[in-house]
Amino acid sequence: GQQVMQIPQYQHVQEGEDFTTYCNSSTTLSNIQWYKQRPGGHPVFLIQLVKSGEVKKQKRLTFQFGEAKKNSSLHITATQTTDVGTYFCAQANQAGTALIFGKGTTLSVSS
Amino acid sequence: NAGVTQTPKFQVLKTGQSMTLQCAQDMNHEYMSWYRQDPGMGLRLIHYSVGAGITDQGEVPNGYNVSRSTTEDFPLRLLSAAPSQTSVYFCASSYSGTGIGYGYTFGSGTRLTVV
Repeated sequence: GQQVMQIPQYQHVQEGEDFTTYCNSSTTLSNIQWYKQRPGGHPVFLIQLVKSGEVKKQKRLTFQFGEAKKNSSLHITATQTTDVGTYFCAQANQAGTALIFGKGTTLSVSS
Repeated sequence: NAGVTQTPKFQVLKTGQSMTLQCAQDMNHEYMSWYRQDPGMGLRLIHYSVGAGITDQGEVPNGYNVSRSTTEDFPLRLLSAAPSQTSVYFCASSYSGTGIGYGYTFGSGTRLTVV
């Protein structure tokens, strides 16, 4: 079925290292949303990207939307233990009436 | 401002039993969705609604029913529970849905075990 593909599925880094997760779609996206889920918690909305080539920053997090609007990435600079969790990208279903989530990238950080 | 409230937080069912997972939001959001989360599978869309009286099926609707009689409430019914429905269920709501806006707000989830 319709789903964005996320890679990698898991990533372990040492505290202070950078981290990137990628989201790829076979179709052109109207927009893409990113969420973070802490262990044992619920997903929390981080950001929405709408424009081709858009880059948005939230402190150490940088979000990019590809020029063709078929891919997106989330980059974390100098990871901290507070960054631990699963990061999901999500796209609209065909009717544009609900969100379809990727399988997520689970980040673990050791200090 | 409670946001999205899900009840119960935990539930154990026997195979064949039925139950309703409750979801209520106080933000006057039109868009509401139900997801299930299983290890390694991400969040899969079960059913969704774009307003009172309007519901539709998502990716994995079999074995579940929904209704939306009010803007605030969006209950999920399991008709005859099966072990394959053991999962964590999340309800989410949004003002703008998939359009330009502020994303979805999720409830804290219901952890369901079917034995």
